[in-house]
Amino acid sequence: GAGVSQTPSNKVTEKGKYVELRCDPISGHTALYWYRQSLGQGPEFLIYFQGTGAADDSGLPNDRFFAVRPEGSVSTLKIQRTERGDSAVYLCASSLSGGDDEQFFGPGTRLTVL
Amino acid sequence: GDSVTQMEGPVTLSEEAFLTINCTYTATGYPSLFWYVQYPGEGLQLLLKATKADDKGSNKGFEATYRKETTSFHLEKGSVQVSDSAVYFCALISSNTGNQFYFGTGTSLTVIP
Repeated sequence: GAGVSQTPSNKVTEKGKYVELRCDPISGHTALYWYRQSLGQGPEFLIYFQGTGAADDSGLPNDRFFAVRPEGSVSTLKIQRTERGDSAVYLCASSLSGGDDEQFFGPGTRLTVL
Repeated sequence: GDSVTQMEGPVTLSEEAFLTINCTYTATGYPSLFWYVQYPGEGLQLLLKATKADDKGSNKGFEATYRKETTSFHLEKGSVQVSDSAVYFCALISSNTGNQFYFGTGTSLTVIP
């Protein structure tokens, strides 16, 4: 596909469970970002990858959140011991090489923690 | 820290009305400024950007000028259409925080025929 894709589109889980959210960036984009968007708010930065490495993970709220990008393309955001406050839309974006390059956003994964 | 403050919505306008959505920023260093738009049922997409003071970004009839003296990047359009109904987000990336985009809270615009 031509754009950024994210799966699943919706995820409902119970408090305390583990979830994985997947992002497929645009082919050839070296930079990949994860954001969290709560209702009525703008996207909040979580983590930035340049290639396979997490160049900036300062936005991750705590150690229950972790993300990987092992081959420099697909990325997975992992949340352990989910809490109700983790409920939000998780957005992934990619850009050609980072910096102020245009970011292309996926449709997001809506996570609901019951 | 760096931040963006934008006009709260929702904003409702009649077709062909003039639009202004205010955005001001706080940043260390020399930020690049952006407007992103989210149409109903779609993902965020870049509308326009400006990378240095006095630059004007423009696209689809929308314009915004990077004003360093007032730390502003207001979005304007002379004549809105129903198809412009969307949520608009102002954002910045700073030379001091090269990886982090900071987004405003978004302004919902509805244009009625």
